[in-house]
Amino acid sequence: QKEVEQDPGPLSVPEGAIVSLNCTYSNSAFQYFMWYRQYSRKGPELLMYTYSSGNKEDGRFTAQVDKSSKYISLFIRDSQPSDSATYLCAMKTNFGNEKLTFGTGTRLTIIP
Amino acid sequence: DSGVTQTPKHLITATGQRVTLRCSPRSGDLSVYWYQQSLDQGLQFLIQYYNGEERAKGNILERFSAQQFPDLHSELNLSSLELGDSALYFCASSPPALGDEQFFGPGTRLTVL
Repeated sequence: QKEVEQDPGPLSVPEGAIVSLNCTYSNSAFQYFMWYRQYSRKGPELLMYTYSSGNKEDGRFTAQVDKSSKYISLFIRDSQPSDSATYLCAMKTNFGNEKLTFGTGTRLTIIP
Repeated sequence: DSGVTQTPKHLITATGQRVTLRCSPRSGDLSVYWYQQSLDQGLQFLIQYYNGEERAKGNILERFSAQQFPDLHSELNLSSLELGDSALYFCASSPPALGDEQFFGPGTRLTVL
């Protein structure tokens, strides 16, 4: 079993819809949680970064962490065609320079 | 553009060969990370260097090695290549102050025939 599980999709939604992306994990030592967006043939770029449980909002994006359930989510409001990409969750145990453990990514398409 | 550069963009080679991938981190970043991304395994951490020293090791094969030079650029050497080594190889860097945000380069696509 992988440490981080993520539904690979693909997920297609109409423009303007709310998108929900999720990851589950098994390692209770994970404390830092990230969401990366990766466009085709590009490197991942950091979207959201959260520590421990709770919510964080940045524009149309909201990240949620529920450590008791080992479950994290990314919500995208008012989705746009430019949001079409692969979304990767990532997590780590300690602050400082250390390896990230990634989910396999969910491929999202926003249909105009 | 993250500020991390990687060369070459594409590399096609044969089984048994050896290749070198190069990464230049963002100005001021001391840490360099190498990741492998394949369709079935996703993004896998290989190794991290901090200011020239190896800091953390992941699922890196013995046939693979890396180093970080005094000017902070890094090279990933892949030898005795196998078909299964075909993948995207990403380099990321992070600043010493923040410590945890990694900025990824555009990647090198390696195809082993």
